[in-house]
Amino acid sequence: NSKVIQTPRYLVKGQGQKAKMRCIPEKGHPVVFWYQQNKNNEFKFLINFQNQEVLQQIDMTEKRFSAECPSNSPCSLEIQSSEAGDSALYLCASSLDWAYQDTQYFGPGTRLLVL
Amino acid sequence: GDSVTQTEGPVTLSEGTSLTVNCSYETKQYPTLFWYVQYPGEGPQLLFKVPKANEKGSNRGFEATYNKEATSFHLQKASVQESDSAVYYCALGTSGGNYKPTFGKGTSLVVHP
Repeated sequence: NSKVIQTPRYLVKGQGQKAKMRCIPEKGHPVVFWYQQNKNNEFKFLINFQNQEVLQQIDMTEKRFSAECPSNSPCSLEIQSSEAGDSALYLCASSLDWAYQDTQYFGPGTRLLVL
Repeated sequence: GDSVTQTEGPVTLSEGTSLTVNCSYETKQYPTLFWYVQYPGEGPQLLFKVPKANEKGSNRGFEATYNKEATSFHLQKASVQESDSAVYYCALGTSGGNYKPTFGKGTSLVVHP
């Protein structure tokens, strides 16, 4: 069973507000992924890290979204100015190896509702 | 780029019937193939993975064979149970500088008693 911890489980924000969520990866996993899962269950990759360094991110992440994985602290994903379309389940996953062929271990997600 | 196509859901079955969820993939690299399952209120979890062509993965009565010639990885179970109700994702991991796996759109399975 996965031991990825995500907080908070639920987040409600007004449009234009900041929304911040955190993730503690499994112990010893240096690679962390963030995904956005919409109401149709589809995954959208946002960003991933190896230790503190960004491996890959999508354009959306470069604008209103910011993320970091500081040493000895939880990883975080922050939306600077929330929009209604950001309402989704945000999933964090970690893996043992940067090689994308390794198993990902997911947390339970943070469900964001933007009113 | 890489892509994964799987059966559109929802798939609705009665307990005891058989399940097949089709998964086809496209890549120019050497893939590892995964099936993940997501139960309500939880994050996805690995069902099994198969890194080598023509090998079979299995877990909890589910199985899938990595068919390199057909570029397929169909999920099957002979007799489903109500507790199998979940969303199933086929995923593809490849070499060549793509640092993230590619997930299919998910197939929702609903099993009625």
